[in-house]
Amino acid sequence: QVQLVESGGGVVQPGNSLRLSCAASGFTFSSYAFHWVRQAPGKGLEWVAVISYDGKNKYYEDSVKGRFTISRDDSKNTVYLEVDSLRPEDTAVYFCAKDGFDYDTLSGFPIFDFWGQGTPVTVSS
Amino acid sequence: EIVMTQSPASLSVSPGERATLSCRASQRISSFLAWYQQKPGQAPRLLIYGASNRATGVPARFSGSGSGTDFTLTISSLQSEDFAVYYCQQYNNWPRTFGQGTKVEIK
Repeated sequence: QVQLVESGGGVVQPGNSLRLSCAASGFTFSSYAFHWVRQAPGKGLEWVAVISYDGKNKYYEDSVKGRFTISRDDSKNTVYLEVDSLRPEDTAVYFCAKDGFDYDTLSGFPIFDFWGQGTPVTVSS
Repeated sequence: EIVMTQSPASLSVSPGERATLSCRASQRISSFLAWYQQKPGQAPRLLIYGASNRATGVPARFSGSGSGTDFTLTISSLQSEDFAVYYCQQYNNWPRTFGQGTKVEIK
């Protein structure tokens, strides 16, 4: 079955960095795009970044452009989010989500069909 | 950026009753709309995509409708496990955007 397991969150001071990881299993990793979505404490969901199935295309939410970098390692079935120059407003649970469109069979829908359990990031001095 | 607006912010419903949740997009998005359910301390779960298609394993009491700018999620007979926060999300444009959520509470 599909599993996404995030790790790498923690408590950091403003200006510092973290690398979040999302280990995937149960499906053909290389056929899918992946997203990061975050949720600040007591707030709603906010899409952060996406990486295409082949790693060639990446898009970011405006407030994280230039500070966050999404990447993937198909040999490890893992997606990463490097988060630099962290700000208190980046405090959130960060979820990894699999895109629903299969680029191998060209089927499915570009929705967030499976999610990991999230990894918390707290930015505080 | 497409702004998604959900109403009401919260809804008190008795078990067995019907719940109707609304979502409005700031511009037309055809049927490129999904609904997610989130329970406390859990990840969101996909319920509906393409405005009206239930995801695998989603009970038939959940139904979605609408196109263009106005969408509805209906839960026909609320069960105890349905009390949660529900989010709509558009996938017509980048950035992907969510509504602020509707909390369905026990009356």
